[in-house]
Order: sequence, then C-alpha cells, then structure tokens
Amino acid sequence: DGGITQSPKYLFRKEGQNVTLSCEQNLNHDAMYWYRQDPGQGLRLIYYSQIVNDFQKGDIAEGYSVSREKKESFPLTVTSAQKNPTAFYLCASSLFSAGYSNQPQHFGDGTRLSIL
Amino acid sequence: AQTVTQSQPEMSVQEAETVTLSCTYDTSESNYYLFWYKQPPSRQMILVIRQEAYKQQNATENRFSVNFQKAAKSFSLKISDSQLGDTAMYFCAFAHMNRDDKIIFGKGTRLHILP
Repeated sequence: DGGITQSPKYLFRKEGQNVTLSCEQNLNHDAMYWYRQDPGQGLRLIYYSQIVNDFQKGDIAEGYSVSREKKESFPLTVTSAQKNPTAFYLCASSLFSAGYSNQPQHFGDGTRLSIL
Repeated sequence: AQTVTQSQPEMSVQEAETVTLSCTYDTSESNYYLFWYKQPPSRQMILVIRQEAYKQQNATENRFSVNFQKAAKSFSLKISDSQLGDTAMYFCAFAHMNRDDKIIFGKGTRLHILP
C-alpha cells in the first residue's frame, strides 16, 4: 500500500545537537511538506517542496533545514539554532502543489521530538 | 493574506447526537478547495471531506456533511449520529485552486463524544 513513512516515532535531542527526521513516500507525489504541531497552535508550515532539488520556506523555517534530493524523500533537520524544538512534527505529500492538486494531502504518523 | 478561523476550541456532545463544527475563511479569490481533516488520539491526520468552491452542492461523506456558504465564506462540518470514534481534533483547511500555493490550516476544534 502507498503511504508516507516517518521515522523515528520518538526522538530526543541534546543541547547543541542537530537531529534529522526522516520522511519517505511511495505515492509518487510531487509535493512534500513539513508541519510543526504544538498544543493550541494547529499546524504550522516549516518547509515545503514542489519538485526535486527545490524547496521553499514556510511560516516558521528558522532553525530548520531540508533537502529534496529524491522525489520520495524529504528529510527535516532540526538544528541547534531552533531553541524550542519540542513538538510533534508531521510530514505530508500531495500530487503537484496543494492548489493544483485534485488529491488532498496525505500525512505520515508523525515524529515527537523532545529535549533531553 | 488568507486565513482560516475555527471559533470553537473545544466541544462535547453525547453519542448519537448531531454536532456542527464552524469554520470561516478569508480570501479574495473565487476558486479554491476547502477541507476538513480529523486527527484522532493516534495523531495521524485523515481527510474527512473536501469541497471545491465552484460546486454549489454541499459535499457529503457518509455521516459527515458540510454547509458551504461561499458568500459568507463559511464552511461548517456536520457530524450526524456521532460515535465514540469521532473523538478527535478537527482541522479546517483552505487551498487555492490552480495556484502555486500551500494549504492553510485552522487551529482546530477538539471534539469529545461522550458515552
């Protein structure tokens, strides 16, 4: 079955450490997204990518970085510059970008990141 | 800028009752998509229902239906015969049609179905 796989499910970060969250999809979707979810905040967009080797900042990109070397993969690195990284992170994908797509976004199961 | 507003942070209803979740949005465009997503305690986001703005007929998916009022920029979700499994966060979302743009989510409504 096609879907989005996020790993790990739980992740702990030490002070000053960079950590990378994995997101893989086998839906052949063009666009991929990273969201951060905090209690009472809903979903906030961190980065998104509509094609390979191209990505754009979302609303809260500071302290994060991404790459899109393959269509299937869109890893998110939480850098030490992100001072409040504790949150639930959701990866999503869609056919073309959201505005063009007749398919709504599909989501992974999420990664919960905590500070040690 | 486009915004999506969900005015009810939390709601509770008895099992088997009908409940309506509110959503309003702001846009100057005439062509767009609207969505309702459900996030149960398991945390995976699931699409509940979708509406294209050019369609006058309200979308329906089993016990879930919407009341789309384009002029009022309102997109409410009605859940009929509510079940315990409907307990979840519900997010309203908006996306332009035929635009190189991203989906915008509301802050969510936490719905509790009581036995």
